[in-house]
Amino acid sequence: DIQMTQSPSSLSASVGDRVTITCRASQSISRYLNWYQQKPGEAPKFLIYATSSLQSGVPSRFSGSGSGTDFTLTISSLQPEDFATYYCQQTYSTPYSFGQGTKLEIK
Amino acid sequence: QLQLQESGSGLVKPSQTLSVTCTVSGGSINTGGYSWTWIRQPPGKGLEWIGYIYHSGTTSYNPSLKRRLNISIDRSKNQFSLRLSSVTAADTAVYFCAREVATGLGYWGQGTLVTVSS
Repeated sequence: DIQMTQSPSSLSASVGDRVTITCRASQSISRYLNWYQQKPGEAPKFLIYATSSLQSGVPSRFSGSGSGTDFTLTISSLQPEDFATYYCQQTYSTPYSFGQGTKLEIK
Repeated sequence: QLQLQESGSGLVKPSQTLSVTCTVSGGSINTGGYSWTWIRQPPGKGLEWIGYIYHSGTTSYNPSLKRRLNISIDRSKNQFSLRLSSVTAADTAVYFCAREVATGLGYWGQGTLVTVSS
């Protein structure tokens, strides 16, 4: 099974900050990497697929990059609605594992 | 707009079988090429991929659950279901159903909490 590790596990930032979250796979997953945003009491929201493609309706301040084993999610200018927990997921091979999550909190 | 809605056991006793159903509306479960997926989230913890089924009946299960797991599809009711046997407290979680979009999960149900307790 492929293990996904996110860093940091939690992050404090301010509105307007640029933030980067890292996701590392235990083996190469090419570019089969997705990102989700989850707010308390809600289902996850699909943000990015195939490393860098934005799902329809997702603001352009979100971007993704990487390949192989190392990936990043960047939010260029944090907005109040962006404070949430973010998960990466690989869909290179089953079981399609998730990272443990990064909680983005208001500083 | 495609919508998914989970309905589940709610409270299950240890060693019994947990059952959750996902009802799909606004689209057909028979639409080819999409996986219908189960994910769970223990309270306060992260997401765990459980498995998926295609409209053809082809399945893929998480090996950690495979021995106890069954995912099925009912095309006549536009539903797919999860059954997990021999449950313990570790199976207490919010269970989500979801449908594939591109290479990820673009449509999600709201989730249903299943608690394993005597």
